[in-house]
Amino acid sequence: DTAVSQTPKYLVTQMGNDKSIKCEQNLGHDTMYWYKQDSKKFLKIMFSYNNKELIINETVPNRFSPKSPDKAHLNLHINSLELGDSAVYFCASSPTSGGPYEQYFGPGTRLTVT
Amino acid sequence: AQKVTQAQTEISVVEKEDVTLDCVYETRDTTYYLFWYKQPPSGELVFLIRRNSFDEQNEISGRYSWNFQKSTSSFNFTITASQVVDSAVYFCALSERPLPLDMRFGAGTRLTVKP
Repeated sequence: DTAVSQTPKYLVTQMGNDKSIKCEQNLGHDTMYWYKQDSKKFLKIMFSYNNKELIINETVPNRFSPKSPDKAHLNLHINSLELGDSAVYFCASSPTSGGPYEQYFGPGTRLTVT
Repeated sequence: AQKVTQAQTEISVVEKEDVTLDCVYETRDTTYYLFWYKQPPSGELVFLIRRNSFDEQNEISGRYSWNFQKSTSSFNFTITASQVVDSAVYFCALSERPLPLDMRFGAGTRLTVKP
């Protein structure tokens, strides 16, 4: 029944490693997003994909690479992890037919880089 | 560029009090979209409301109400008769584009409702 799911929920890793966070939505939406929430709770959009095409690409280090194999999935791959990457990452989705519509968020992935 | 300001970092009230969370926005566009989201201690982000710039009608949903005033660029959120379960961080957000949404969030207001 989960609308937007993310795995893993928690991710602890060391500096320099490469990791991926997976996101899947079963709402039939054609737009998906990645957000980063820092320790002060500030939420910032990172990427937006519409029908597997990158639409929004904020000023994010190129160590972050989103990949959308199909409309229902948007994964986030992070290379050479740094301490400053520690945050909660949220995936979201929204429909775009006749919008705008609100975004539905996943439960978040808490990434801790040590 | 679009900007959202939530000047109240933290608010603490006692149960049954009314509380208003302020949201002031900046945009050059005449068409834009405003949102409120709730983030309870469990961490998920819960959608509360969406408003289009051409619809200034205020909205009430149970104990929640929203006051949208274009003249002051504000979209304030009031909780009437607050309850402990209302304790959360509340975010106001603005998008200047509808498809896809490009939401810019305010810094959030942490509301604590004490029994």
